Amino acid sequence: AAGVIQSPRHLIKEKRETATLKCYPIPRHDTVYWYQQGPGQDPQFLISFYEKMQSDKGSIPDRFSAQQFSDYHSELNMSSLELGDSALYFCASSSVLTGRGTGELFFGEGSRLTVL
Amino acid sequence: DQQVKQNSPSLSVQEGRISILNCDYTNSMFDYFLWYKKYPAEGPTFLISISSIKDKNEDGRFTVFLNKSAKHLSLHIVPSQPGDSAVYFCAAIHSYSGGGADGLTFGKGTHLIIQP
Repeated sequence: AAGVIQSPRHLIKEKRETATLKCYPIPRHDTVYWYQQGPGQDPQFLISFYEKMQSDKGSIPDRFSAQQFSDYHSELNMSSLELGDSALYFCASSSVLTGRGTGELFFGEGSRLTVL
Repeated sequence: DQQVKQNSPSLSVQEGRISILNCDYTNSMFDYFLWYKKYPAEGPTFLISISSIKDKNEDGRFTVFLNKSAKHLSLHIVPSQPGDSAVYFCAAIHSYSGGGADGLTFGKGTHLIIQP
């Protein structure tokens, strides 16, 4: 079965550069979530989209922005990168049929961002 | 403030025995609780969940117990198998109807090690 696809899997950037992460949810899933997991930390919720509209916002820095496109894929844009942005970024998707609102999310394998 | 707490960073259990992973929460608005399992270099995988209207949910070798008055839940794995070695995240959500979606609040995870 198709899973959540994230790209790139690994990304290395310099401080103050910009990075874009992409997420392709499971087909027919209507909600996309972004999480950030720092070294030794739990995943922190950043932002979510439902039917291409921003749904909920967590601890996402102002330097970050995200959107969901008409084909339901989502992109997380990170500008003015800082060393502390180095983390694993997970995208997850869900649908009303599989438990949106009850937390049964399907996660991608993550994109590892390293800021030098 | 950590709303979902997993106080044991790691747990070592002998193969065939019971593994018990604990989780405490502080937010009384949480009404759905989940356990996710994570292998290295992979995204979290949904394992089992429980609604706040129940006190037990069982799925094969996995059972989750919820004690609402104590704001405590636990995951029991019986019998433990080598493939169960992974990081287990407790997560909670305040679900609501009417559209939109909310993000999961994760604990910091417990690294379960099953010894042969």
